[in-house]
Amino acid sequence: EAGVAQSPRYKIIEKRQSVAFWCNPISGHATLYWYQQILGQGPKLLIQFQNNGVVDDSQLPKDRFSAERLKGVDSTLKIQPAKLEDSAVYLCASSGDRFYEQYFGPGTRLTVT
Amino acid sequence: AQKITQTQPGMFVQEKEAVTLDCTYDTSDQSYGLFWYKQPSSGEMIFLIYQGSYDEQNATEGRYSLNFQKARKSANLVISASQLGDSAMYFCAMRDSNYQLIWGAGTKLIIKP
Repeated sequence: EAGVAQSPRYKIIEKRQSVAFWCNPISGHATLYWYQQILGQGPKLLIQFQNNGVVDDSQLPKDRFSAERLKGVDSTLKIQPAKLEDSAVYLCASSGDRFYEQYFGPGTRLTVT
Repeated sequence: AQKITQTQPGMFVQEKEAVTLDCTYDTSDQSYGLFWYKQPSSGEMIFLIYQGSYDEQNATEGRYSLNFQKARKSANLVISASQLGDSAMYFCAMRDSNYQLIWGAGTKLIIKP
């Protein structure tokens, strides 16, 4: 069974530029999560999708972050414009019938200079 | 407020010894779940073990066991016979009533040869 795929693995951009991350969850998993993990901290949930609908985006900075999950499968997370404090690892996770088990992708490490 | 506390920022353990990673939680929910994840330097979050609040027996998965003490609100992870490959960050997390994860700050475990 293929795991959660994310790309790119690493990205370096300058502040005020835009960036997009892609996630493909495990096949058949209805729920998809995007997390932000700042160095030395646990992950922080940015947005949760159930199929192609948003369940929770209360911690998503909507003035600069956006996310979509078209057709209820893969998802993109965009930052525009980026700030220095956006430097973090962005983790995508998915869960299926065993809703309490979240499976994570390798993450995208973003550095904003 | 719901909260996960991991009091050990870092631990050094000799190879082949058992290690206990501490986790305490705070919730007013009757139904909740507790998780442990491992995050190697590569960045991926790896699900290790799950304990439901109504589970009467402690969860076990291979070398991992969860010492669940409900009255004390603790959910410590025990790794038996530690290996060099166990060196990583370990995160305790709790599923809240919205099925979202609340994360601790993590413990960095280093196994010494």
